[in-house]
Amino acid sequence: DIQMTQSPSSLSASVGDRVTITCRASQSIRSYLNWYQQKPEKAPKLLIYAASSLQSGVPSRFSGSGSGTDFTLTISSLQPEDFATYYCQQSYSTLRTFGQGTKVDIK
Amino acid sequence: QVHLVQSGAEVRKPGASVKVSCQASGNSFTSDYMHWVRQAPGQGLEWMGIINPSGGSTRYAQKFQGRVTMTMDTSTSTVYMELGSLRSEDTAVYYCARDHDTFDAFDIWGQGTMVTVSS
Repeated sequence: DIQMTQSPSSLSASVGDRVTITCRASQSIRSYLNWYQQKPEKAPKLLIYAASSLQSGVPSRFSGSGSGTDFTLTISSLQPEDFATYYCQQSYSTLRTFGQGTKVDIK
Repeated sequence: QVHLVQSGAEVRKPGASVKVSCQASGNSFTSDYMHWVRQAPGQGLEWMGIINPSGGSTRYAQKFQGRVTMTMDTSTSTVYMELGSLRSEDTAVYYCARDHDTFDAFDIWGQGTMVTVSS
């Protein structure tokens, strides 16, 4: 199976900060990388698909980049509603796998 | 607009099995692959498997091989996930999710079903 490793596991940030989360795959997954946001007691929400494509309705402060094995999710200016846990997921293989998650909380 | 509605919370004893349903509305049911994902309390997301409603073929994560069965009923646009030989570590919220046919991502999720395994 393809292993996905996110870093950091958690971070503290302030409103208005630029936040970057990284995700590394154990093998090349080309651009088959998705990002999800999850708030407590809620189902995950798709933010970015195919490494850099913004899902409909998602604010433009979210962006994704990377290909091969290394990927990044960036929030350009953190808003109060962005405090949540973020997961990367590879869709290169039918046997999908998620990163362990990055919790973004208030500094 | 596609909508996924899951069955309600379940409580089971260790060694028992549980079957969770996920009914789709607003789409052509047989055109979208469906996945199951679970999340133990305070933990991350764990992919369990996929079912192709057009034909019923399945693939499961190695961890669940032999314990999980995913099925479907096209007459009611419902997919099912049955997990057997339950243990306390299977206590989790179980989600179904639609795999968008163009961009291979889970764009629609069910609301989640809490399964508690306790003696």
